[in-house]
Amino acid sequence: EVQLLESGGGLVQPGGSLRLSCAASGLSFSSYAMNWVRQAPGKGLEWVSVMSGGGSNSYYADSVKGRFTISRDNSKNTLYLQMNSLRAEDTAVYYCAKRSTWSDAFDLWGQGTVVTVSS
Amino acid sequence: DIVMTQSPDSLAVSLGERATINCKSSQSVLYSSNNKNYLAWYQQKPGQPPKLLIYWASTRESGVPGRFSGSGSGTDFTLTISSLQAEDVAVYYCQQYYSTLLTFGGGTKVEIK
Repeated sequence: EVQLLESGGGLVQPGGSLRLSCAASGLSFSSYAMNWVRQAPGKGLEWVSVMSGGGSNSYYADSVKGRFTISRDNSKNTLYLQMNSLRAEDTAVYYCAKRSTWSDAFDLWGQGTVVTVSS
Repeated sequence: DIVMTQSPDSLAVSLGERATINCKSSQSVLYSSNNKNYLAWYQQKPGQPPKLLIYWASTRESGVPGRFSGSGSGTDFTLTISSLQAEDVAVYYCQQYYSTLLTFGGGTKVEIK
């Protein structure tokens, strides 16, 4: 079965750090650009970051640039998001999402992992 | 950044009736070299991740019912549910993938009247 499974969420204090993981199965992971998208409680979707299939290119939303780092280990079929200097406004469900072969839309999403930043 | 603006924020439609959701981008998402609109639509039900419905503004994703259709070009787009079913209650988002910095619309909540 083709799926994405996020992990690593939890409760962290403001200024703290957290690393999220997204394990892929059933697909040729290294062939696809992978993204992180977040959703604050009761709010809409916000794209966070993308990394190319080979890992050579990455981009970030302005809201996380300089604080978050995306990476991937294609030998482990896993995508990561290192989150530093966390703020209350980073509280959200974090989804990983795969870019489609046929377009750059996201055709496969994980179930999400919850990050709560609070003292 | 390209700003995506959806309207309305919410709408209530009777079962079997048409639902129409609008999405406007702050700049064109039509790529002239291939004449494709870099615009997608997603459906998100409570407690679930989003699901891709439409890409290239009007191409239905495999398995998506035919009552869902997308139209528009340039900066103005529409998602239409031709005959609303109970299972279509959800929040719908548009997304542009024209720019490297991807952006979503604010979402439209569809309910049953």
